[in-house]
Amino acid sequence: EAGVAQSPRYKIIEKRQSVAFWCNPISGHATLYWYQQILGQGPKLLIQFQNNGVVDDSQLPKDRFSAERLKGVDSTLKIQPAKLEDSAVYLCASSSLTGSRNTIYFGEGSWLTVV
Amino acid sequence: KQEVTQIPAALSVPEGENLVLNCSFTDSAIYNLQWFRQDPGKGLTSLLLIQSSQREQTSGRLNASLDKSSGRSTLYIAASQPGDSATYLCAVRRRAGANNLFFGTGTRLTVIP
Repeated sequence: EAGVAQSPRYKIIEKRQSVAFWCNPISGHATLYWYQQILGQGPKLLIQFQNNGVVDDSQLPKDRFSAERLKGVDSTLKIQPAKLEDSAVYLCASSSLTGSRNTIYFGEGSWLTVV
Repeated sequence: KQEVTQIPAALSVPEGENLVLNCSFTDSAIYNLQWFRQDPGKGLTSLLLIQSSQREQTSGRLNASLDKSSGRSTLYIAASQPGDSATYLCAVRRRAGANNLFFGTGTRLTVIP
């Protein structure tokens, strides 16, 4: 079974530029998550999708971050304009249901450095 | 709000030693708890998932326990190996709903050959 795929793996941009990350979840997984992990901290949820609808985006900085999941499969996370404090790993994860019993599977992350 | 704490933040042990990593959470109303491993430059790999009705789960040299009433979980690693060196994160899942997975900050484990 293929895992959660993310690209690009690494990105360096200047502040005020824009960046987009792509995620392909495990086939058949209805729930998709984007997490932000700052160095030395645990992951923090940015947005959660159930199929192509948003379940929770309460911690997404909507003035600069946006995400979409067209057709309920792949998802993109965009940052525009980027700030220095956006330097982090952006982790995509998926699970088969929003119910509590299911393991969440993570991708390898997209590492962003804003200079 | 749920808060998850992992102590110690870092741990170094000689190869072959048994060790215990700790995770505590403030709100005992959880559905399950999951332990993850994170290698440098990598994403998170799920190790063990314990449902709230369970007391422990085992996989190979790993054993995770859950005491929901006291808000604690431990991850026991037997006969540690250098390949076990990584950061270990615990995450608790509250009742089904939005933003329901809360992570600790992790314990960075180094196993010295």
